[in-house]
Amino acid sequence: GESVGLHLPTLSVQEGDNSIINCAYSNSASDYFIWYKQESGKGPQFIIDIRSNMDKRQGQRVTVLLNKTVKHLSLQIAATQPGDSAVYFCAENQRVQGGGADGLTFGKGTHLIIQP
Amino acid sequence: NAGVMQNPRHLVRRRGQEARLRCSPMKGHSHVYWYRQLPEEGLKFMVYLQKENIIDESGMPKERFSAEFPKEGPSILRIQQVVRGDSAAYFCASSPSSGVRGYTFGSGTRLTVV
Repeated sequence: GESVGLHLPTLSVQEGDNSIINCAYSNSASDYFIWYKQESGKGPQFIIDIRSNMDKRQGQRVTVLLNKTVKHLSLQIAATQPGDSAVYFCAENQRVQGGGADGLTFGKGTHLIIQP
Repeated sequence: NAGVMQNPRHLVRRRGQEARLRCSPMKGHSHVYWYRQLPEEGLKFMVYLQKENIIDESGMPKERFSAEFPKEGPSILRIQQVVRGDSAAYFCASSPSSGVRGYTFGSGTRLTVV
Protein backbone atom coordinates (compact mmCIF):
# COMPACT_ATOMS: atom_id res chain seq x y z
CA GLY A 1 0.00 0.00 0.00
CA GLU A 2 0.91 3.67 0.02
CA SER A 3 3.71 4.60 2.35
CA VAL A 4 2.94 8.29 2.11
CA GLY A 5 -0.58 9.66 2.41
CA LEU A 6 -2.58 12.77 3.11
CA HIS A 7 -5.14 13.33 5.83
CA LEU A 8 -7.41 15.68 3.83
CA PRO A 9 -8.06 15.68 0.10
CA THR A 10 -9.36 19.28 0.00
CA LEU A 11 -8.61 22.25 2.22
CA SER A 12 -10.40 25.56 1.84
CA VAL A 13 -9.07 28.68 3.59
CA GLN A 14 -9.76 32.39 3.45
CA GLU A 15 -7.24 34.59 1.72
CA GLY A 16 -4.82 35.93 4.28
CA ASP A 17 -5.31 33.07 6.72
CA ASN A 18 -2.69 30.48 7.50
CA SER A 19 -3.07 26.95 6.18
CA ILE A 20 -1.69 23.64 7.38
CA ILE A 21 -1.44 20.63 5.11
CA ASN A 22 -0.68 17.27 6.70
CA CYS A 23 1.03 14.14 5.52
CA ALA A 24 1.68 10.74 7.09
CA TYR A 25 4.40 8.33 6.11
CA SER A 26 5.06 4.79 7.20
CA ASN A 27 8.69 4.11 6.30
CA SER A 28 10.91 5.02 9.22
CA ALA A 29 13.93 4.56 6.94
CA SER A 30 13.01 7.60 4.86
CA ASP A 31 15.63 10.27 5.32
CA TYR A 32 14.48 13.12 3.13
CA PHE A 33 11.13 14.76 2.53
CA ILE A 34 9.93 17.31 0.03
CA TRP A 35 6.77 19.35 -0.43
CA TYR A 36 5.69 20.08 -3.98
CA LYS A 37 3.07 22.41 -5.38
CA GLN A 38 1.28 21.42 -8.57
CA GLU A 39 -0.90 23.85 -10.46
CA SER A 40 -3.37 22.65 -13.03
CA GLY A 41 -1.65 21.46 -16.20
CA LYS A 42 1.84 21.88 -14.79
CA GLY A 43 4.54 19.73 -13.30
CA PRO A 44 5.33 19.63 -9.58
CA GLN A 45 7.21 22.65 -8.31
CA PHE A 46 9.60 22.34 -5.37
CA ILE A 47 8.51 24.29 -2.29
CA ILE A 48 10.64 23.18 0.61
CA ASP A 49 12.51 20.13 1.84
CA ILE A 50 13.66 18.71 5.13
CA ARG A 51 16.11 16.02 6.16
CA SER A 52 15.29 13.45 8.79
CA ASN A 53 17.85 14.91 11.21
CA MET A 54 15.77 18.09 11.45
CA ASP A 55 12.30 18.74 12.85
CA LYS A 56 11.59 22.16 11.39
CA ARG A 57 12.63 24.20 8.40
CA GLN A 58 11.41 27.60 7.31
CA GLY A 59 11.25 29.26 3.95
CA GLN A 60 9.49 32.30 2.62
CA ARG A 61 5.94 32.07 4.03
CA VAL A 62 6.30 28.30 4.35
CA THR A 63 7.37 26.06 7.20
CA VAL A 64 7.77 22.31 7.17
CA LEU A 65 7.53 20.34 10.40
CA LEU A 66 8.69 16.76 10.76
CA ASN A 67 7.63 14.54 13.65
CA LYS A 68 9.53 11.29 13.33
CA THR A 69 7.93 9.80 16.43
CA VAL A 70 4.51 9.65 14.77
CA LYS A 71 5.83 9.75 11.19
CA HIS A 72 4.04 12.96 10.38
CA LEU A 73 4.94 15.83 8.10
CA SER A 74 3.16 19.14 7.73
CA LEU A 75 3.38 22.20 5.51
CA GLN A 76 2.35 25.53 6.93
CA ILE A 77 1.65 28.39 4.54
CA ALA A 78 1.36 31.81 6.14
CA ALA A 79 -0.89 34.61 4.88
CA THR A 80 -2.26 32.61 1.98
CA GLN A 81 -2.68 34.29 -1.38
CA PRO A 82 -4.80 33.37 -4.42
CA GLY A 83 -1.68 32.08 -6.13
CA ASP A 84 -1.31 29.44 -3.43
CA SER A 85 -4.32 27.58 -4.81
CA ALA A 86 -2.96 24.28 -6.08
CA VAL A 87 -2.53 20.63 -5.17
CA TYR A 88 0.20 20.03 -2.62
CA PHE A 89 2.09 16.76 -2.43
CA CYS A 90 4.49 15.47 0.13
CA ALA A 91 7.14 13.09 -1.11
CA GLU A 92 9.75 10.97 0.59
CA ASN A 93 13.02 9.47 -0.47
CA GLN A 94 13.38 5.91 0.71
CA ARG A 95 16.86 4.53 0.95
CA VAL A 96 15.77 1.07 -0.09
CA GLN A 97 18.53 -1.45 -0.48
CA GLY A 98 18.85 -2.71 -4.00
CA GLY A 99 17.31 0.21 -5.78
CA GLY A 100 14.81 2.99 -5.67
CA ALA A 101 17.15 5.23 -3.75
CA ASP A 102 16.79 7.96 -6.31
CA GLY A 103 13.05 7.76 -6.77
CA LEU A 104 10.51 9.69 -4.77
CA THR A 105 7.36 8.23 -3.23
CA PHE A 106 4.50 10.70 -3.43
CA GLY A 107 1.34 11.01 -1.42
CA LYS A 108 -2.00 11.52 -3.15
CA GLY A 109 -2.13 15.26 -2.64
CA THR A 110 -4.25 17.90 -0.93
CA HIS A 111 -6.12 20.44 -3.00
CA LEU A 112 -5.76 23.84 -1.35
CA ILE A 113 -8.46 26.34 -2.28
CA ILE A 114 -7.99 29.98 -1.34
CA GLN A 115 -11.27 31.82 -1.01
CA PRO A 116 -11.41 35.61 -1.46
CA ASN B 1 17.96 28.72 -19.30
CA ALA B 2 15.17 26.44 -20.50
CA GLY B 3 13.77 24.06 -17.96
CA VAL B 4 12.97 20.41 -18.51
CA MET B 5 11.22 20.20 -21.87
CA GLN B 6 8.67 17.52 -22.54
CA ASN B 7 6.82 16.92 -25.77
CA PRO B 8 4.24 16.52 -26.89
CA ARG B 9 2.17 18.20 -24.18
CA HIS B 10 -0.87 16.18 -25.20
CA LEU B 11 -0.93 12.88 -27.04
CA VAL B 12 -3.96 10.89 -28.16
CA ARG B 13 -3.53 7.31 -29.22
CA ARG B 14 -5.93 4.55 -30.16
CA ARG B 15 -5.74 1.25 -28.31
CA GLY B 16 -2.95 -0.88 -29.75
CA GLN B 17 -0.87 2.02 -31.06
CA GLU B 18 2.52 3.07 -29.79
CA ALA B 19 3.18 6.19 -27.73
CA ARG B 20 6.54 7.95 -27.64
CA LEU B 21 7.13 10.60 -25.02
CA ARG B 22 10.21 12.79 -25.14
CA CYS B 23 12.10 14.56 -22.39
CA SER B 24 15.00 16.96 -22.82
CA PRO B 25 16.71 17.56 -19.46
CA MET B 26 17.91 20.93 -18.26
CA LYS B 27 21.26 22.02 -19.60
CA GLY B 28 23.99 20.38 -17.58
CA HIS B 29 21.70 17.68 -16.20
CA SER B 30 22.65 14.11 -17.07
CA HIS B 31 20.15 12.27 -14.84
CA VAL B 32 16.57 11.72 -15.95
CA TYR B 33 13.60 10.30 -14.04
CA TRP B 34 10.17 9.37 -15.36
CA TYR B 35 6.99 9.42 -13.27
CA ARG B 36 3.36 8.61 -14.04
CA GLN B 37 0.40 10.40 -12.52
CA LEU B 38 -3.11 9.00 -12.69
CA PRO B 39 -6.05 11.41 -12.20
CA GLU B 40 -6.41 12.51 -8.57
CA GLU B 41 -3.27 10.60 -7.61
CA GLY B 42 0.29 11.40 -6.67
CA LEU B 43 3.19 10.70 -8.99
CA LYS B 44 4.57 7.16 -9.18
CA PHE B 45 8.24 6.58 -9.91
CA MET B 46 8.89 4.58 -13.07
CA VAL B 47 12.52 4.70 -14.12
CA TYR B 48 15.83 6.49 -13.56
CA LEU B 49 18.34 6.84 -16.37
CA GLN B 50 21.72 8.34 -17.01
CA LYS B 51 23.18 8.77 -20.46
CA GLU B 52 23.03 5.38 -22.21
CA ASN B 53 22.25 3.56 -18.95
CA ILE B 54 19.14 2.50 -17.09
CA ILE B 55 19.99 2.82 -13.41
CA ASP B 56 16.70 1.86 -11.75
CA GLU B 57 13.60 0.59 -13.53
CA SER B 58 11.86 -0.80 -10.46
CA GLY B 59 8.70 1.19 -11.19
CA MET B 60 8.32 0.23 -14.83
CA PRO B 61 5.58 -2.21 -15.85
CA LYS B 62 7.13 -5.48 -16.98
CA GLU B 63 5.63 -5.39 -20.44
CA ARG B 64 5.06 -2.79 -23.18
CA PHE B 65 7.01 -0.01 -21.43
CA SER B 66 10.61 0.90 -22.17
CA ALA B 67 12.84 3.90 -21.67
CA GLU B 68 16.11 5.11 -23.08
CA PHE B 69 18.43 8.07 -22.72
CA PRO B 70 20.83 8.00 -25.67
CA LYS B 71 24.17 9.73 -25.83
CA GLU B 72 22.65 12.36 -28.09
CA GLY B 73 19.09 13.58 -27.97
CA PRO B 74 16.23 13.43 -25.49
CA SER B 75 15.16 10.63 -23.22
CA ILE B 76 12.30 8.59 -24.67
CA LEU B 77 9.57 6.76 -22.80
CA ARG B 78 7.97 4.28 -25.15
CA ILE B 79 4.66 2.52 -24.58
CA GLN B 80 3.76 -0.19 -27.03
CA GLN B 81 0.24 -1.43 -27.73
CA VAL B 82 -1.34 1.18 -25.47
CA VAL B 83 -4.45 0.34 -23.46
CA ARG B 84 -6.98 2.66 -21.80
CA GLY B 85 -5.29 2.16 -18.45
CA ASP B 86 -2.16 3.85 -19.81
CA SER B 87 -4.03 7.16 -19.94
CA ALA B 88 -2.21 9.40 -17.50
CA ALA B 89 0.14 12.33 -17.21
CA TYR B 90 3.78 11.35 -17.61
CA PHE B 91 6.34 13.62 -15.99
CA CYS B 92 10.04 13.76 -16.48
CA ALA B 93 12.49 15.24 -13.99
CA SER B 94 16.18 15.89 -14.39
CA SER B 95 19.02 16.57 -11.98
CA PRO B 96 22.71 17.36 -12.29
CA SER B 97 23.69 14.38 -10.16
CA SER B 98 22.17 11.30 -8.63
CA GLY B 99 19.67 11.74 -5.84
CA VAL B 100 16.40 13.58 -5.56
CA ARG B 101 17.68 16.79 -4.09
CA GLY B 102 18.32 18.53 -7.38
CA TYR B 103 15.12 17.49 -9.14
CA THR B 104 13.41 19.78 -11.65
CA PHE B 105 10.18 18.54 -13.22
CA GLY B 106 8.89 19.19 -16.70
CA SER B 107 5.29 20.13 -17.46
CA GLY B 108 4.38 16.60 -18.46
CA THR B 109 2.79 14.78 -21.37
CA ARG B 110 -0.87 13.95 -21.04
CA LEU B 111 -1.57 10.69 -22.79
CA THR B 112 -5.13 9.80 -23.65
CA VAL B 113 -5.91 6.37 -25.06
CA VAL B 114 -9.21 6.15 -26.90
